Amino acid sequence: KQEVTQIPAALSVPEGENLVLNCSFTDSAIYNLQWFRQDPGKGLTSLLLIQSSQREQTSGRLNASLDKSSGRSTLYIAASQPGDSATYLCVTTDSWGKLQFGAGTQVVVTP
Amino acid sequence: NAGVTQTPKFQVLKTGQSMTLQCAQDMNHEYMSWYRQDPGMGLRLIHYSVGAGITDQGEVPNGYNVSRSTTEDFPLRLLSAAPSQTSVYFCASSAGTPPDNEQFFGPGTRLTVL
Repeated sequence: KQEVTQIPAALSVPEGENLVLNCSFTDSAIYNLQWFRQDPGKGLTSLLLIQSSQREQTSGRLNASLDKSSGRSTLYIAASQPGDSATYLCVTTDSWGKLQFGAGTQVVVTP
Repeated sequence: NAGVTQTPKFQVLKTGQSMTLQCAQDMNHEYMSWYRQDPGMGLRLIHYSVGAGITDQGEVPNGYNVSRSTTEDFPLRLLSAAPSQTSVYFCASSAGTPPDNEQFFGPGTRLTVL
């Protein structure tokens, strides 16, 4: 059974610092991996999706890497802003369409 | 488009009461699903539907019923609420079945069972 772990569970950084969020998974036979953002009282918003054949994806200040062989993905957020404060979820999907969610990393960016 | 909507946003129940969590989407998505989110755990799949009239169980289906009479609506029913069902519930939809289709999530319903 796939297990997705996100460490740390919570992170606080001053504005302007780069954020590094880690995700590890036990089964490397994934179809894709997604990073979501979750804001209190709101649904999940997809940030980046990495197909199993890709090594990384970039969108603006966000960059996500994927190393299937080691079962790891990292989300980098450059020059953090208070608006980046949220919980970030890592989600793997297998070829059958089963999603496995990590518990998330709660990020606070202080002005 | 309103996207995926859920009602109510908050609900408090007493043990043994029943209720229905509503989920609707206006994107004509075939695939809809329900998840629950508990502290320190990732979202877990309760039930899902690949189209009107078709539903199936997910990882944690016990204590919940679903039906899919229309493409737009996918209600989740708790027949006899238990404190273990205290959680945040999310509904999601996609144009087709994962993994090839992006999922869209509703804002969630926070349920407390006393």
